[in-house]
Amino acid sequence: QVQLVESGGGVVQPGWSLRLSCAASGFIFSRHAMHWVRQAPGKGLEWVTIISSDGRTKYDADSVKGRFTVSRDNSKNTLYLQMNSLRAEDTAVYYCARERTHHAADAIDIWGQGTMVTVSS
Amino acid sequence: QSVLTQPPSVSGAPGQRVTISCTGSSSDIGAGYDVHWYQQLPGTAPKLLMYDNTNRPSGVPDRFSGSKSGTSASLAISGLQAEDEADYYCQSYDAGLTAYVFGTGTKVTVL
Repeated sequence: QVQLVESGGGVVQPGWSLRLSCAASGFIFSRHAMHWVRQAPGKGLEWVTIISSDGRTKYDADSVKGRFTVSRDNSKNTLYLQMNSLRAEDTAVYYCARERTHHAADAIDIWGQGTMVTVSS
Repeated sequence: QSVLTQPPSVSGAPGQRVTISCTGSSSDIGAGYDVHWYQQLPGTAPKLLMYDNTNRPSGVPDRFSGSKSGTSASLAISGLQAEDEADYYCQSYDAGLTAYVFGTGTKVTVL
């Protein structure tokens, strides 16, 4: 079945780096743009970044611009999020998610279960 | 980063109809971008509930309906059931920011 499984979360200190991974299965990964969306404890959803199906186009939220980098390996059906210079306000559950079709600004139709990132000294 | 504005909470008795508003601006919903809705049950990942303003994915009951007008959109739940108790988020796109934007979220309580 269609599935996204995140990994790589954990507890890190402010200023440290962390790389999240998202393994996709059950669909043709290379045909879909992919997102990272996060949710701080007890808070709402916050869009983080998107990467196009071919990996050539990326957009980031202002809150992570210059610190986070999204990438993908279509040969491995895997999405990544490299997070540098982590701050306490980056503490959240990070969801990997699939854009529904190739049409711009489409809905997100598949979500992973999320991986928790805690930034604390 | 802009966000879409939703009421923090709405409530209703079983069987009643509730609506959730989602207010944006001329750079997102008002610019013609579609609105999508997600349901998040406690402790779980969000689930797509409505896409392109009015379309329900397979498996979503027809008790859920969506609409969009101007710079706002709405999600209606008719025949409210206990299982509908969850957080609901709207989402659209802001071309000026080249960013996806989520609503502030609405908690639906079934009395």
